[in-house]
Amino acid sequence: NAGVTQTPKFQVLKTGQSMTLQCAQDMNHEYMSWYRQDPGMGLRLIHYSVGAGITDQGEVPNGYNVSRSTTEDFPLRLLSAAPSQTSVYFCASSYPPGQGATEAFFGQGTRLTVV
Amino acid sequence: GQNIDQPTEMTATEGAIVQINCTYQTSGFNGLFWYQQHAGEAPTFLSYNVLDGLEEKGRFSSFLSRSKGYSYLLLKELQMKDSASYLCAVRDGRGYNQGGKLIFGQGTELSVKP
Repeated sequence: NAGVTQTPKFQVLKTGQSMTLQCAQDMNHEYMSWYRQDPGMGLRLIHYSVGAGITDQGEVPNGYNVSRSTTEDFPLRLLSAAPSQTSVYFCASSYPPGQGATEAFFGQGTRLTVV
Repeated sequence: GQNIDQPTEMTATEGAIVQINCTYQTSGFNGLFWYQQHAGEAPTFLSYNVLDGLEEKGRFSSFLSRSKGYSYLLLKELQMKDSASYLCAVRDGRGYNQGGKLIFGQGTELSVKP
């Protein structure tokens, strides 16, 4: 009963370093998304995918890359970390509308600090 | 443009009823969701409305008026554990291969006092 699993839970990076945030789901969901959450800003969509091999940009994509080679995995890559990317990152997955329950299920989050 | 508005914070008393409002303006509409988020945790799904009217789920109810771009979440018999942030999210019906992107409001921080 894993649901959506994100790793790592905490990370500290130096400015300019790169890293990959991992996200995996075992519910066979087609839709997967990455959000960042900052105080007073709500959840903002970074990138999303509607299926393996298909990705697109959300509201705040700059500085991030994604790929979707399998249904289960949707990693988020920070190319060159900046202090402005200090945030809590959430991965979410769901079925497309019209295919059963369509609420998004969220991972536990990755708390990233860039110094 | 896309805009979702909720009050930033609310306070209520244990055992009481509280209503959290959400107004939205989006390019399209393909459903409205309410999520609960405790501090330091992930959001968890509470309710979903796609047609006008009231959806009831135990102590929680959610109402939608599409013509007014308005929803509310009603919490009855408040308990201390209901202290959390409540997020309103609209699926705008465009993008996401026409399934709609999920757009979130900034969340309402609810404090339940004894």
